[in-house]
Amino acid sequence: GAGVSQTPSNKVTEKGKYVELRCDPISGHTALYWYRQSLGQGPEFLIYFQGTGAADDSGLPNDRFFAVRPEGSVSTLKIQRTERGDSAVYLCASSLFSSNSPLHFGNGTRLTVT
Amino acid sequence: DAKTTQPPSMDCAEGRAANLPCNHSTISGNEYVYWYRQIHSQGPQYIIHGLKNNETNEMASLIITEDRKSSTLILPHATLRDTAVYYCIVSAGATNKLIFGTGTLLAVQP
Repeated sequence: GAGVSQTPSNKVTEKGKYVELRCDPISGHTALYWYRQSLGQGPEFLIYFQGTGAADDSGLPNDRFFAVRPEGSVSTLKIQRTERGDSAVYLCASSLFSSNSPLHFGNGTRLTVT
Repeated sequence: DAKTTQPPSMDCAEGRAANLPCNHSTISGNEYVYWYRQIHSQGPQYIIHGLKNNETNEMASLIITEDRKSSTLILPHATLRDTAVYYCIVSAGATNKLIFGTGTLLAVQP
């Protein structure tokens, strides 16, 4: 079946601009996660949704970052006033249940802020 | 969640077994051991997980020591396609929020 889909695969934006990154999870998966990965590092947790609500947003670096999942399926990660340090690969994952079910990752969106 | 320690890199000959170690000496009784791998330019891929018993699936085997302070991921017959960064993670699974370290870069040599 279809896996986790992330769009766009690549995004180049200018410093100070607003960007939205989209994640389509596997159908029926109730849990959704956003991670960020810089070159040479492991993925860094940003936020986790169970259904429509953000159950844990402790990884969001500051208030320029925000994520929504209004209908409990598709999620959008929003970054305001982008900075060059925001350049990274943003990964989305979903799982069937929140406890002990493996995470299924998309291939990410590579964000470059110039 | 408990931290893990993995060697930064390992080599393995194609066709041989790859044994990737992981130390998790501060693991709690309710924490699982998960293994994921990440092939270049792709998202992480789930391999296997376990609590205290050894586990095997079509991809790999997971051997957890009796005191649960370390584990080994075994790829029985490594191929060039198994070249990737392998992450060992421990998590209580309450939210399945996985905390990744820097993993082990496994290079399978022809």
